[in-house]
Amino acid sequence: DQQVKQNSPSLSVQEGRISILNCDYTNSMFDYFLWYKKYPAEGPTFLISISSIKDKNEDGRFTVFLNKSAKHLSLHIVPSQPGDSAVYFCAAHKAAGNKLTFGGGTRVLVKP
Amino acid sequence: SQTIHQWPATLVQPVGSPLSLECTVEGTSNPNLYWYRQAAGRGLQLLFYSVGIGQISSEVPQNLSASRPQDRQFILSSKKLLLSDSGFYLCAWSQPRAGHYGYTFGSGTRLTVV
Repeated sequence: DQQVKQNSPSLSVQEGRISILNCDYTNSMFDYFLWYKKYPAEGPTFLISISSIKDKNEDGRFTVFLNKSAKHLSLHIVPSQPGDSAVYFCAAHKAAGNKLTFGGGTRVLVKP
Repeated sequence: SQTIHQWPATLVQPVGSPLSLECTVEGTSNPNLYWYRQAAGRGLQLLFYSVGIGQISSEVPQNLSASRPQDRQFILSSKKLLLSDSGFYLCAWSQPRAGHYGYTFGSGTRLTVV
């Protein structure tokens, strides 16, 4: 039972353009959402998060949008840079829980 | 500041051999600790997590086990490795509190079972 899904396994975008990564979840008990970035042979690093009481959080080039009614969140990267080429994971946390549930990841390739 | 150490970085082991991967966290106390595996081309699968010494929760049935002998030490083990145990293993820690539920991951161990 995949509670967090990233339906696009890969995304290719031109440098300078916008990258939009999508994530859907099924469990309405999730109250906190995070995005992680992972380079090959390295551990994932935290990118940005959003609480379920918000619908948008912005940090520099990265913005996360949350649509609770649709159980959908997205990550926008603008402008995209070649260094953004990586695998991006969305993750969700349940209130009073002890663990994150991760999506399957989206591989982003930013072409110069 | 908190740091997480995971070793070794790479490991090649024959089928049927034992496994021991170690993870330690510095600069914090009573963290939640996690072991994840990323199989080739796949997502992050939670294997085990621990909220305290000696407390281990297993997420999936498998050939692996975990132990937490000390507060900031988390060990992943196997008595006999299978080919399917190959993958990228990640240790992580967290200290959940309101608005701070993220993990900090180690640098990972690439395990190849041959």
